[in-house]
Amino acid sequence: VQLLESGVHLVQPGGSLRLSCAASGFTFSNYAMSWVRQVPGKGLEWVSGISYTGRSTYYADSVEGRFTISRDNSNNTLYLQMNSLRAEDTAIYYCAKGKDDYNNFDYWGQGTLVTVSS
Amino acid sequence: DIVMTQSPDYLAVSLGERATINCKSSQSVLDSSNNKNYLAWYQHKPGQPPKLLISWASTRESGVSDRFSGSGFGTVFTLTISSLQAEDGAVYYCQQYYGTPYTFGQGTKLEIK
Repeated sequence: VQLLESGVHLVQPGGSLRLSCAASGFTFSNYAMSWVRQVPGKGLEWVSGISYTGRSTYYADSVEGRFTISRDNSNNTLYLQMNSLRAEDTAIYYCAKGKDDYNNFDYWGQGTLVTVSS
Repeated sequence: DIVMTQSPDYLAVSLGERATINCKSSQSVLDSSNNKNYLAWYQHKPGQPPKLLISWASTRESGVSDRFSGSGFGTVFTLTISSLQAEDGAVYYCQQYYGTPYTFGQGTKLEIK
């Protein structure tokens, strides 16, 4: 199993960014996926999740209305569209695979750093 | 939202001793239909992604040392690490996956003395 997030990102406040996570080594279309972030020096925060079909999506209150999670099961890729970015969105963003049919996370990407700063 | 609260925030324990980390949820994460507690524990080391240690409050993941054990039900849970080794130094998180948002505890930093 491998989850590979896109590189390092610097964006200005109010800007937009799309993260991607390329999955391999498992049947991507069979599993729910999530994005989890960690502000430097702080704890883990679940950001958003998506069902295996992509029909159901879920968000933390802190990003609701600004972030959109999606997936392309034909290309084994998870996305996070991030709009109206704020300084407090600066964090390492991990994509994570749900274990079996649930939302505990058995595989994680290495993380991608998003910095929101002018 | 279900709030997860861990204690202590920081723990320093000697090599070979036992460490105990507590986690409380603001509401039950027990599903009475299947009698399962939707509670996971993770180990997180700097520069690495988190590692899933325990699911369902007490089921150790494949390949995880049997020195790690989880217990509890409902709203009160415990992670116990016995015979501490140097490589156990990390931040440990509990997470509920009973319902969205899938919240984590604030983390417990374990230092090995």
